[in-house]
Amino acid sequence: QKEVEQNSGPLSVPEGAIASLNCTYSDRGSQSFFWYRQYSGKSPELIMSIYSNGDKEDGRFTAQLNKASQYVSLLIRDSQPSDSATYLCAVDGGGRRALTFGSGTRLQVQP
Amino acid sequence: EADIYQTPRYLVIGTGKKITLECSQTMGHDKMYWYQQDPGMELHLIHYSYGVNSTEKGDLSSESTVSRIRTEHFPLTLESARPSHTSQYLCASSESGRGTEAFFGQGTRLTVV
Repeated sequence: QKEVEQNSGPLSVPEGAIASLNCTYSDRGSQSFFWYRQYSGKSPELIMSIYSNGDKEDGRFTAQLNKASQYVSLLIRDSQPSDSATYLCAVDGGGRRALTFGSGTRLQVQP
Repeated sequence: EADIYQTPRYLVIGTGKKITLECSQTMGHDKMYWYQQDPGMELHLIHYSYGVNSTEKGDLSSESTVSRIRTEHFPLTLESARPSHTSQYLCASSESGRGTEAFFGQGTRLTVV
């Protein structure tokens, strides 16, 4: 079992819809959780971070964390074609452990 | 804006050559990472450092080596480049403790001919 699991997609949504991206992790001691967006040929860029159970909203993005279920999600409201990218979930176990990335979910927003 | 720099951005080199990919950060981060990523594929951690003189190999088997003599500098060396090393190499850094994200450099696209 991989430490961080994501559905590879592609997830296809129409413009204006809500895109829901999901991630599960295996290390129950994980402390910090991140969502990155990566456009083709570019480096990953951070879009959301979350550390406590519940929801965190930033503009059109909402991150949700449920530590009991070891589950992190990202909601993108009013999806735009420019949101089409691969979204990477990352988990930080803390201490000397390395940041661990999932394999990413490819999102396609159809105009 | 992240202050992490990779050089060169692009490199074409012959088989058997020794190469060093440079990565520097000015944020004082204690953790640094090297990832390898082929187009459309996932990130693979190849090396990781949690401080000066402290490095570990990642999940991906690699013929590369790293050093961390200074906090800000984390070079990756391939002793003998092979066509199978053709890929994108991404360097990142982060700080220990709660709530610290990793910042990525712009990457080095390596082609071994």
